[in-house]
Amino acid sequence: DTGVSQDPRHKITKRGQNVTFRCDPISEHNRLYWYRQTLGQGPEFLTYFQNEAQLEKSRLLSDRFSAERPKGSFSTLEIQRTEQGDSAMYLCASSLGSANEKLFFGSGTQLSVL
Amino acid sequence: DAKTTQPTSMDCAEGRAANLPCNHSTISGNEYVYWYRQIHSQGPQYIIHGLKNNETNEMASLIITEDRKSSTLILPHATLRDTAVYYCIVRDPLRTSGTYKYIFGTGTRLKVLA
Repeated sequence: DTGVSQDPRHKITKRGQNVTFRCDPISEHNRLYWYRQTLGQGPEFLTYFQNEAQLEKSRLLSDRFSAERPKGSFSTLEIQRTEQGDSAMYLCASSLGSANEKLFFGSGTQLSVL
Repeated sequence: DAKTTQPTSMDCAEGRAANLPCNHSTISGNEYVYWYRQIHSQGPQYIIHGLKNNETNEMASLIITEDRKSSTLILPHATLRDTAVYYCIVRDPLRTSGTYKYIFGTGTRLKVLA
């Protein structure tokens, strides 16, 4: 499978715990995005990496959230001190980068905070 | 805020064409319209995109009105596996990085009936 892969697919945690998700983009893609999707809504943009540089962060990304992309390959999204409102599907997408680029999404990590 | 408006839900008989409309009256002159679909518990899947001319690929056709204020996605022979949420997307520029974020609305829930 040469698509975008995300791990884990599901995560159940207790409020106050830290969680980390991983995304492996398509190998030649230098652009990587994180989105969040709550029930019944479309995905919302969280943050953007070009290679290893995090160039954009949405105001949705509170200071409890941190994302990295070391060496411009895989990316991790960490949520500290999780809250019930963090329960959502976290989606990763990657692209080559062009004017009319299309994003390739992974299957997401479904987070449930109890 | 979403830049597109779509009906909440639609039904289509198996084997018939599914026509999914979208309004994007505030689209700028050089911005593309993208269509994705999302099957339950999976990430969004790219279908097609266009600027001003009609487009066709192996999955669907995209008809864009001359004033570019609306478009229609056509699935020519819908199957049960086409049951999904379909998103019409216009991007927003991320000014500091030169890339874009996708602005998803709530999409159209298409149900293909046997």
